[in-house]
Formats: sequence, structure tokens, C-alpha cells
Amino acid sequence: DAGITQSPRHKVTETGTPVTLRCHQTENHRYMYWYRQDPGHGLRLIHYSYGVKDTDKGEVSDGYSVSRSKTEDFLLTLESATSSQTSVYFCAAQGQMNTEAFFGQGTRLTVV
Amino acid sequence: GENVEQHPSTLSVQEGDSAVIKCTYSDSASNYFPWYKQELGKRPQLIIDIRSNVGEKKDQRIAVTLNKTAKHFSLHITETQPEDSAVYFCAASKNYGQNFVFGPGTRLSVLP
Repeated sequence: DAGITQSPRHKVTETGTPVTLRCHQTENHRYMYWYRQDPGHGLRLIHYSYGVKDTDKGEVSDGYSVSRSKTEDFLLTLESATSSQTSVYFCAAQGQMNTEAFFGQGTRLTVV
Repeated sequence: GENVEQHPSTLSVQEGDSAVIKCTYSDSASNYFPWYKQELGKRPQLIIDIRSNVGEKKDQRIAVTLNKTAKHFSLHITETQPEDSAVYFCAASKNYGQNFVFGPGTRLSVLP
């Protein structure tokens, strides 16, 4: 699993509630990413981090925020969940740019 | 920003036949092109990658070709086996800024 773990693995939440997903890595990778996966859209980048406290937006960042206070943890927060944020979320980590990215197991989030 | 297209979206082949998946990218600065395989319910995993200074790379039954002029790259799987059935994603990346833009994926089914 290359030391990438996501929690929780499954979550059902109500519209309007805040939700935080956690990605934890044990390999000291510098770069970390959050993607969402939806049918027909592949993997779309939400936010990414290139170091502690250094983050930037991806192509579908609206409604999401991230934080990285330690190298090993990258948190994704939905401030007020909406049904359009129902998806499978994948975290990935990468040691150097343009090298293999290792993915977590995914988190299936359902917003009802 | 980078845009990656991928075709076909679904592909069915007989066991033992070859499969080809094609991707195009838009940003001429992209210089790293990985392919990820995602089995049902699992995380994406790297199967092969190619850098822009190489035209072709092989690893057993899998090969990738890159045409920088035309901005397209392809995955070739020979002697397909049932365990090759999965969703395959291509991606394009450059060594600065937002990393890893993925194509929408190809669902490959290998029929016995």
C-alpha cells in the first residue's frame, strides 16, 4: 500500500454538515494530492500540497479546503457538504515531481 | 491548463488479443506520462510510465509509445489475460505547478 492510508473509508453525512477526510503517509513524501473520482470524469484534482503549509487549488476546488500541518498528514475539509460532493475521494503522495504517485485506498462519501 | 483526452472509453477484447488505448494532451510542456490501472474497488496503481526524451518503453506484455510532435501517447497490451480487465487511466505531468492531469479512463474487458 506504499504507506498511504485514508480515513474514514466510508462516510454518510447530511447536506450542510462539515466533513473532514484524512490522508496519512509514512514515506516522507513531499507532494500530496486529493482527487475525486466520478463516473465519466476520471480523477479530478481538488487540491495539492508541495510541502508543509504549502497548498494550492486544483481544477475542482470550489467547496473544499485543505490543510497540511505535518509532512505525513493532508486533510480535506468540506465546509458544508452538498449532494454534488458525493463521490469517491482518493489521496495520493509523491516523493518527487514526475515520479510515481502512490494512492490511498479511497473514501466513499455520500451526502444525503 | 492541461487537457488529456482518452479513447476509447470502453474496450472489449478476446483473451490473447492485443488492446490499444490512446491519449492526447494539450500542453507541450508536459514531459512525463504515466499509466495507472484500477481494478474494481481498488486504488489506482502505476503500471508503466514514459518521459518525453523517450519514444517507446516496454515491460513484458505492456508497452507505451509517445509522439511529442502530435502530442499523443498510447498503451499497448499484448496477449491479454482476464486479469488485465480493469480501468486504465493515462496522465500527463510537468515538473512544475499542478501535477498529474488524468484522462477520463478506459474500461478494458478481456473476454475468455
